[in-house]
Amino acid sequence: AQSVTQLDSHVSVSEGTPVLLRCNYSSSYSPSLFWYVQHPNKGLQLLLKYTSAATLVKGINGFEAEFKKSETSFHLTKPSAHMSDAAEYFCVVSRLGNNDMRFGAGTRLTVKP
Amino acid sequence: KAGVTQTPRYLIKTRGQQVTLSCSPISGHRSVSWYQQTPGQGLQFLFEYFSETQRNKGNFPGRFSGRQFSNSRSEMNVSTLELGDSALYLCASTRKTSGAADTGELFFGEGSRLTVL
Repeated sequence: AQSVTQLDSHVSVSEGTPVLLRCNYSSSYSPSLFWYVQHPNKGLQLLLKYTSAATLVKGINGFEAEFKKSETSFHLTKPSAHMSDAAEYFCVVSRLGNNDMRFGAGTRLTVKP
Repeated sequence: KAGVTQTPRYLIKTRGQQVTLSCSPISGHRSVSWYQQTPGQGLQFLFEYFSETQRNKGNFPGRFSGRQFSNSRSEMNVSTLELGDSALYLCASTRKTSGAADTGELFFGEGSRLTVL
């Protein structure tokens, strides 16, 4: 069984300040972990993924995430928020080779001018 | 390269009716998955099709069904609609190949927003 918990339903930051979106996972298998972003009325877009290679994963738009097995965490960070980062972010866990991906409840990121 | 295309984008139905949603995957993608997104339940996996066969299924009642055609296009059908079926239905495709671990990246369409009155 696998699941993810996104620890914050809403995060608000000022433009130019760091972003931290927290995700903890639970998996009976070695997990594959992903972060997706969804802008209003749009589908989801992959930001980055971890599939048992390097534990620090770099994604698009300056985002990165670190896989910490001891803490079962996969937090998403960005050094400096941009207005265009305002969106819903989903942490996702799956078993490699299986498209039964379990989504977290999502974290809405607001970026203030 | 065209993305995942879902039709219709918006539709309104009444309770008891049935609905069919369509998804055209990215060219060359053979796996198609469907998800339901609601404010209360979030994103939930419905089912996955690969080479016209259902490979995985989520925890939804039998009113929810799907199929995949030889050109990888997929449809999902919901019969006897209930108010709670109002949702954004998202389709995603991957480059999964038979027997191989896939890339893990899902390419999503923009969804079909279903409202049941």
